[in-house]
Amino acid sequence: EAGVTQFPSHSVIEKGQTVTLRCDPISGHDNLYWYRRVMGKEIKFLLHFVKESKQDESGMPNNRFLAERTGGTYSTLKVQPAELEDSGVYFCASSLRGGNYGYTFGSGTRLTVV
Amino acid sequence: RKEVEQDPGPFNVPEGATVAFNCTYSNSASQSFFWYRQDCRKEPKLLMSVYSSGNEDGRFTAQLNRASQYISLLIRDSKLSDSATYLCVVNPISGGYNKLIFGAGTRLAVHP
Repeated sequence: EAGVTQFPSHSVIEKGQTVTLRCDPISGHDNLYWYRRVMGKEIKFLLHFVKESKQDESGMPNNRFLAERTGGTYSTLKVQPAELEDSGVYFCASSLRGGNYGYTFGSGTRLTVV
Repeated sequence: RKEVEQDPGPFNVPEGATVAFNCTYSNSASQSFFWYRQDCRKEPKLLMSVYSSGNEDGRFTAQLNRASQYISLLIRDSKLSDSATYLCVVNPISGGYNKLIFGAGTRLAVHP
């Protein structure tokens, strides 16, 4: 079984540019999550999809962040325009039955905004 | 106050040692608890769920004390390969059905 795949693995962009991160969950996993770890801090929840619907987006920092999951398969997270404080590692995770049973995480996208 | 608090360490132990990590959480309504392991520059990986009755998986034992809102992880007979950051993770339920709250992690370094 293929795991959670994230692309790109690394991205370096200038402040003010746009970046789009992609996540392919494990096939058949309706639940897809985005998390972020900024330098020196704990991993924090951004949002949760159930299929194509946003179940919880309470962790999204501001309206510069837009997540989509068209068709309930892969998801994208766009940051526009990027700011320095957006630097960090963005993790995607998926689960079959929800958070009570733990997730499988992707290897993350390391975003550096300069 | 952080929702999940852990001693950041690092814990430096020799091979074969027993080491224990502790974690406290603030939301008394939390229902699900986990330990994840994260290697340097890698993704978190589920190590084990933590049940009220306590549970064991090989050299790893997890305990939950709901009254004190305290979770522990015990590693026996430490191996070099156990070196990693151990993340205490809580599903708060009340704050968002499937959201996980992570502690900042405890670093373990096992040396020969």
